[in-house]
Amino acid sequence: NAGVMQNPRHLVRRRGQEARLRCSPMKGHSHVYWYRQLPEEGLKFMVYLQKENIIDESGMPKERFSAEFPKEGPSILRIQQVVRGDSAAYFCASSEGQGGTDTQYFGPGTRLTVL
Amino acid sequence: GDSVTQMEGPVTLSEEAFLTINCTYTATGYPSLFWYVQYPGEGLQLLLKATKADDKGSNKGFEATYRKETTSFHLEKGSVQVSDSAVYFCALWGGYNKLIFGAGTRLAVHP
Repeated sequence: NAGVMQNPRHLVRRRGQEARLRCSPMKGHSHVYWYRQLPEEGLKFMVYLQKENIIDESGMPKERFSAEFPKEGPSILRIQQVVRGDSAAYFCASSEGQGGTDTQYFGPGTRLTVL
Repeated sequence: GDSVTQMEGPVTLSEEAFLTINCTYTATGYPSLFWYVQYPGEGLQLLLKATKADDKGSNKGFEATYRKETTSFHLEKGSVQVSDSAVYFCALWGGYNKLIFGAGTRLAVHP
């Protein structure tokens, strides 16, 4: 059973460009979470999605950031008009169910660098 | 709101030394508690977890006990190896759709 897949692993963008980060959850998992890790810091929750629904986006900036998890295909985290402060590692996690007893499995992350 | 506090690193040990990484939490209710490990350039891997008070999670020689009275979940290992060098994150699930992480503690083990 393949783990959580993320691509690209590394992404370089210039200020003002768009960044698209993709996440394929583990097989059989319908819950996806996105977290952001700034250098030398812990992970901060951004958004929680189930298939075709955003359940909780309380950690996501209101502007420029959006996320989706379509019926078919990977979950996408989209950052429009990137700024230097968006440089970070973005991790996706998936779980079979929702709640503390269902382990979240993390992908390898996408490291975004904004020049 | 819910939060997790970890001891600051880096923690530097010699091989076969005893390891303790402190973790305390603030939460309403009774959260599930986790330790994750992150090796350089990789994502997080679940190391162990405990879902209720007095539970002990264990894996690969690491242990942590859920102490409700002290709101703690300290990570311990009796004899560390060079391969244990990584960043360790304590986290809680408070029932609000997300894991809340501590800032992480970097461990460096020297031969």
